[in-house]
Order: sequence, then C-alpha cells, then structure tokens
Amino acid sequence: AQSVTQPDIHITVSEGASLELRCNYSYGATPYLFWYVQSPGQGLQLLLKYFSGDTLVQGIKGFEAEFKRSQSSFNLRKPSVHWSDAAEYFCAVAPSTAFYFGTGTSLTVIP
Amino acid sequence: GAVVSQHPSWVICKSGTSVKIECRSLDFQATTMFWYRQFPKQSLMLMATSNEGSKATYEQGVEKDKFLINHASLTLSTLTVTSAHPEDSSFYICSARGGSGTSSYNEQFFGPGTRLTVL
Repeated sequence: AQSVTQPDIHITVSEGASLELRCNYSYGATPYLFWYVQSPGQGLQLLLKYFSGDTLVQGIKGFEAEFKRSQSSFNLRKPSVHWSDAAEYFCAVAPSTAFYFGTGTSLTVIP
Repeated sequence: GAVVSQHPSWVICKSGTSVKIECRSLDFQATTMFWYRQFPKQSLMLMATSNEGSKATYEQGVEKDKFLINHASLTLSTLTVTSAHPEDSSFYICSARGGSGTSSYNEQFFGPGTRLTVL
C-alpha cells in the first residue's frame, strides 16, 4: 500500500546538538518530496523540497535533506538545533497532484 | 513567493449552523486547490481536491454533502461545513497550486489554517 512513514513520533534534543528526522515512503515511482514545519496553531511552512537532480537539498533555517532512492527515504537533518526549532515536522510526498503527509514528528529542544 | 490566505482564522459556531471558510491565492492563479483537515497532534488529512470551474473530488470517507467545496475562480475556493456538529471541530487548512507550465505547478502553497470550534 502507498504510504508515508515518520517512525519517530517525538524527539527530544539538546540545543546545539545535531538532528535527524526520518521519513520513508512507499510509492511506485519517485514522488516529489517535501518537508514542512508547523508551529502550534499555525499553518505549514515549507523547509525544502526535492523534485530531481542532486539528492542532497538545502532548505531554509539551516535544514537539509537527503533523498536515498534505494532506501525510499528522505531524512531531514540539521547540524545544530536552536530552541526556536521546536515544532512539529511533517514529511510529504506527491506522487501525483495530491499531497500525502506523514504522521509528523514533534521536536522538543532542551536548553 | 506564492501566498495563500484563509478567512476566518478562527470561528466558533453553534451546532446545526453552517460555516464558510475562504481560501485565496493572493499573487498567483490557483488552478487547483486542496482542503485538509487536521485534528490536534495529528497529521493533515486530505479531504478534497478542486479544480477551478469543476466539481471537487473528495477523498474516501469525506461526506461531500456535508463539506461543500466551491472553486469558482482562479483565486478563491470556499469550504462550507453544513449543519456543523462538535465532531466537525478541527483545524482546516487549504493549499493551492498553479497551472501546468507555471512556477507554482509542482508544489502546494498552504494557507495559515482556520480553527473551527462547534459548540
């Protein structure tokens, strides 16, 4: 079945530590891939996207993500987390015109 | 960049009444608009896809007679929750994308969301 999986429901990291949020998808072909961030009560902000080409994509706020076709993964990374990064993070895939979201990963940053 | 707005940002209504939520693309023509629903601490669930001038396509399990979607122009789509009940309380988010061949075709631009509370 087609799906988007974010295995980690909740992650806690210390400020300044590195971060990796996992995303796996299950679709027939490589879909377009996205990472969004959502603060409480707010809409979604696009962090980065992958359509084709270089498998390492850079986004806003110091985030990057790497597409690995062999693993059907699109993991989000940040080398040094800031307290303001605490939020909900959603991976999304677009195999066609519609978007399908993962269940989200809630990030807590401790001082 | 492409901007999508929603109005209202928060609405409280009595059970049995109908509520209309507007979604506007401010600086591009949105050939397609999408409506999502998000329960607290959960992911976004696609409700329906609408193309300008056409009937919306609803996802399985979404009642089209309860959630009326109109996409009458390239910059406006509306979602009307008819005869709302407390279980309809949720965060509703719209998104929009441009037509084929435009820079806004391959991604969706999200509105800030509308929080609906039905008493």
